[in-house]
Amino acid sequence: AQTVTQSQPEMSVQEAETVTLSCTYDTSESDYYLFWYKQPPSRQMILVIRQEAYKQQNATENRFSVNFQKAAKSFSLKISDSQLGDAAMYFCAYRSAEGTYKYIFGTGTRLKVLA
Amino acid sequence: DTAVSQTPKYLVTQMGNDKSIKCEQNLGHDTMYWYKQDSKKFLKIMFSYNNKELIINETVPNRFSPKSPDKAHLNLHINSLELGDSAVYFCASSPQGSYGYTFGSGTRLTVV
Repeated sequence: AQTVTQSQPEMSVQEAETVTLSCTYDTSESDYYLFWYKQPPSRQMILVIRQEAYKQQNATENRFSVNFQKAAKSFSLKISDSQLGDAAMYFCAYRSAEGTYKYIFGTGTRLKVLA
Repeated sequence: DTAVSQTPKYLVTQMGNDKSIKCEQNLGHDTMYWYKQDSKKFLKIMFSYNNKELIINETVPNRFSPKSPDKAHLNLHINSLELGDSAVYFCASSPQGSYGYTFGSGTRLTVV
């Protein structure tokens, strides 16, 4: 069975600085998808970025980028130029490329942004 | 125009009651889900329907019963509510392919 681990329960970053959130996963599959979701205090789950395992190029969405290391089964999220609105819980999620589209979520990292 | 809407947003009820949460999506997605987020923020899948067919039925008490009258709607009915059912319940939908989910805004259920 697949597992997703987020080893940092909480992180802090100064406004305008860069922060990296860690995520590791375990799977025997070769094709899958990885996601980062943001959950602000409003409770809404917002898709931040996704990565297809067969693509070597790291995904980027504006200030958000990932460092995807397939061999190491690592999928970290880098947030550049942190803003107060980035404060939220961040969840890493794994999804198989076949079968059902069930997500396996990590336990989340709470990000605080300091003014 | 809300893509995935859940009602109600908040639900406070007494132990032993029966309650339902409704979910509707206007994205044309084929697959819908119910996830439970516990007090420690952990998210776990409960059920999934693809075109009205149940495709995921995780180990949850049989007091929880999903119903999908059509592919745009997925409801969750809970019988004989218990204190441990208190959580946030998220509905989500996804299209075929590698795209991520679109989540509803969640229903915070509090059983007293």
